[in-house]
Amino acid sequence: AQKITQTQPGMFVQEKEAVTLDCTYDTSDPSYGLFWYKQPSSGEMIFLIYQGSYDQQNATEGRYSLNFQKARKSANLVISASQLGDSAMYFCALAWTGTASKLTFGTGTRLQVTL
Amino acid sequence: GAVVSQHPSRVICKSGTSVKIECRSLDFQATTMFWYRQFPKQSLMLMATSNEGSKATYEQGVEKDKFLINHASLTLSTLTVTSAHPEDSSFYICSGSMASFGLYGGATQYFGPGTRLTVL
Repeated sequence: AQKITQTQPGMFVQEKEAVTLDCTYDTSDPSYGLFWYKQPSSGEMIFLIYQGSYDQQNATEGRYSLNFQKARKSANLVISASQLGDSAMYFCALAWTGTASKLTFGTGTRLQVTL
Repeated sequence: GAVVSQHPSRVICKSGTSVKIECRSLDFQATTMFWYRQFPKQSLMLMATSNEGSKATYEQGVEKDKFLINHASLTLSTLTVTSAHPEDSSFYICSGSMASFGLYGGATQYFGPGTRLTVL
């Protein structure tokens, strides 16, 4: 069965600090993609970053980077220099090659950035 | 990134009526569109996958006669909640999928802003 686990229901971080949001997954398929989405209170799902299972380097996108440890099946999101606008729900998601990009989402982590 | 719109953003209806939600990809052709629902403080649950010009594929437990999906073109998919009841009240989000990523062979999904449905 396909499973994504986010063990942190809520996280706090001070403005300008870095924060790591955890994500582990379970799959036996060697080919897959990992995604992180941000959902602010407005409800829209915003795509942040993508990591392919065959990618040799960790993905980076501005202040977002993905700490991909394939052997451990983890894909943690690192947000550097947190901003108040980063306060939101963050979802990790995985898609397997054979499922036409169908995403399975984790339960999410609510991040609160404080002054 | 690619832009997906949804209409309406919010709808309140009486029990027993039908509600149609539109999902449009504005600046790309979405060969595949997905429909999700999200209950408060929960994650997204995939309801169905639709490909342009073919019947939607529904996830286990989703009533296809209740949630009618039409994917008429590469930029438009609609979800109709038929004979809505209070338990159908939820946040409905669509997404469109575009070009493949590398060896993975899949594609990033870009989401619409969602539609909040309240059935009285």
